[in-house]
Amino acid sequence: EAQVTQNPRYLITVTGKKLTVTCSQNMNHEYMSWYRQDPGLGLRQIYYSMNVEVTDKGDVPEGYKVSRKEKRNFPLILESPSPNQTSLYFCASRQYNAETQYFGPGTRLLVL
Amino acid sequence: GQQVMQIPQYQHVQEGEDFTTYCNSSTTLSNIQWYKQRPGGHPVFLIQLVKSGEVKKQKRLTFQFGEAKKNSSLHITATQTTDVGTYFCAGSRSGTYKYIFGTGTRLKVLA
Repeated sequence: EAQVTQNPRYLITVTGKKLTVTCSQNMNHEYMSWYRQDPGLGLRQIYYSMNVEVTDKGDVPEGYKVSRKEKRNFPLILESPSPNQTSLYFCASRQYNAETQYFGPGTRLLVL
Repeated sequence: GQQVMQIPQYQHVQEGEDFTTYCNSSTTLSNIQWYKQRPGGHPVFLIQLVKSGEVKKQKRLTFQFGEAKKNSSLHITATQTTDVGTYFCAGSRSGTYKYIFGTGTRLKVLA
């Protein structure tokens, strides 16, 4: 089944404790992206990647890092999480020249 | 920076009534996409519009892209309870692969 998976789905952590949210897709998509969703703000793009080893900042990249060492994986790294990074995070992917962007199920993060 | 405004923020309709959400960008867009997110779910791609003045239909849903490529609308005819959710537009500017999402319109359909 074609899908985008994220792990973990739920995470409670404390300020300053490094964490990684994994994202994997099995559709051989070139383009992958991370978004955060906050009430009243909609979805905001954090980082995106056009292909392996090619990443670029979205609208809200501060406090986040990403890497794209393999085509299927696009982990989101929070080196020193802060409470304002409490949010619902979505990973998404699509074929480079295709229209449809597929979203993962989301990761709900709470930073205390 | 580029902004995409979406109105209304909330809409409650009786089942069978029509519904429209509007999306306005501060800059000209290369294309615009529409998504639906059910409560507790993830965004699901509905459609992409690329051409100025383009109109596309999916059953009871009609999507329009403005002539100036700065605004768009989604119209649902005769809403059903299955239409419940939040509808987002997302715009992309020419030469970029960044998506700017609207704040969404939450639709509630009363049976």
